[in-house]
Amino acid sequence: KQEVTQIPAALSVPEGENLVLNCSFTDSAIYNLQWFRQDPGKGLTSLLLIQSSQREQTSGRLNASLDKSSGRSTLYIAASQPGDSATYLCAGNPFSSGNTGKLIFGQGTTLQVKP
Amino acid sequence: KAGVTQTPRYLIKTRGQQVTLSCSPISGHRSVSWYQQTPGQGLQFLFEYFSETQRNKGNFPGRFSGRQFSNSRSEMNVSTLELGDSALYLCASSLGRPTNEKLFFGSGTQLSVL
Repeated sequence: KQEVTQIPAALSVPEGENLVLNCSFTDSAIYNLQWFRQDPGKGLTSLLLIQSSQREQTSGRLNASLDKSSGRSTLYIAASQPGDSATYLCAGNPFSSGNTGKLIFGQGTTLQVKP
Repeated sequence: KAGVTQTPRYLIKTRGQQVTLSCSPISGHRSVSWYQQTPGQGLQFLFEYFSETQRNKGNFPGRFSGRQFSNSRSEMNVSTLELGDSALYLCASSLGRPTNEKLFFGSGTQLSVL
């Protein structure tokens, strides 16, 4: 059974700092891994999707990596800004779900960037 | 291009009642997935529909059901509501091959069961 763990649960940093969010998963048999952002009381916004065959994806100040052999993914945020404050969730799409939209989510990391 | 639309945004019900939530996917998207989000359990998969057929189902009791219409709009229904059903219900849409494409989420329906 796929389990996804995110560390730390919460993080507070000063503006401008580079930071790394961690995600680990127990089953490496995944189609892809996605990183999402969720603002309070809102839905999820997809940030990056890494296919199983890929090692990393980049979008602006965000870079996500995937290491299936160790069951880990990281989200790197460069030059953090107060607007980056949100909860960040990673989710794996396991082989066991077939070609469907069943994602297994971590509990998230709540990030606060202080001005 | 309009995003995923969920209605209503907020809902208050009492135990024993039933509720229907609606989700309109992005135009052209044929897959709709539903998730339940609670502070204790996080995000949990409920079910997914593709071309009016349920393609996958999570570990929820039979009180939770859904359907999808020919225009890809989807509804989920919860019967005999329990206090533990209070949650944010999110739907997500995609073109239909979610193993290699992003899911787009709506803002959710916040259900409170009293």
